[in-house]
Amino acid sequence: DTEVTQTPKHLVMGMTNKKSLKCEQHMGHRAMYWYKQKAKKPPELMFVYSYEKLSINESVPSRFSPECPNSSLLNLHLHALQPEDSALYLCATRPNSGHPNYGYTFGSGTRLTVV
Amino acid sequence: AQTVTQSQPEMSVQEAETVTLSCTYDTSENNYYLFWYKQPPSRQMILVIRQEAYKQQNATENRFSVNFQKAAKSFSLKISDSQLGDTAMYFCAFRAVIQGAQKLVFGQGTRLTINP
Repeated sequence: DTEVTQTPKHLVMGMTNKKSLKCEQHMGHRAMYWYKQKAKKPPELMFVYSYEKLSINESVPSRFSPECPNSSLLNLHLHALQPEDSALYLCATRPNSGHPNYGYTFGSGTRLTVV
Repeated sequence: AQTVTQSQPEMSVQEAETVTLSCTYDTSENNYYLFWYKQPPSRQMILVIRQEAYKQQNATENRFSVNFQKAAKSFSLKISDSQLGDTAMYFCAFRAVIQGAQKLVFGQGTRLTINP
């Protein structure tokens, strides 16, 4: 069982489609992250939310639009994607610094294919 | 710049052997966190072990232990009595604070294969 749930697990979309990825956590963490991971590469940071506010945008193209409607939910809205955007999209959360179990908890990811 | 380097792209050992994965990092921070994450073919990133920089004692979690050398900025992972289920991609990661926000900086990863 994972404490960070991502849906859907797989997504195939056309370049003109609009879709959304969802991440949900009930760990009480107030920091949430979106990472993009290409095959055989480490995850690359896309966005960071802290207390439901966007704190880092790593120069991600506007065709990716994040949203954090509440402390448990993180969305990634996708529009007019390119085939090179095909990747594994990972959501992660973490507790505040100093927490005895400080660490980043990842979801199992959404495998996105853009056709 | 805060960087993490894993110099071993791939490693392979026999079941029950001990294996050590290397990691070096670069930072000007004095207090920070270091992690090893495991990513099996199921693709979920699983936290294996964490180390807080101000703690001199090396972290251990069952068969997993680290050799943390702060002055040398080295953070290696030792897996004892390796098991087939340890086969995975292993990422060393550093918790950086940039513009007041915390984020993980990953190394390139080491693909570890445990052979029967």
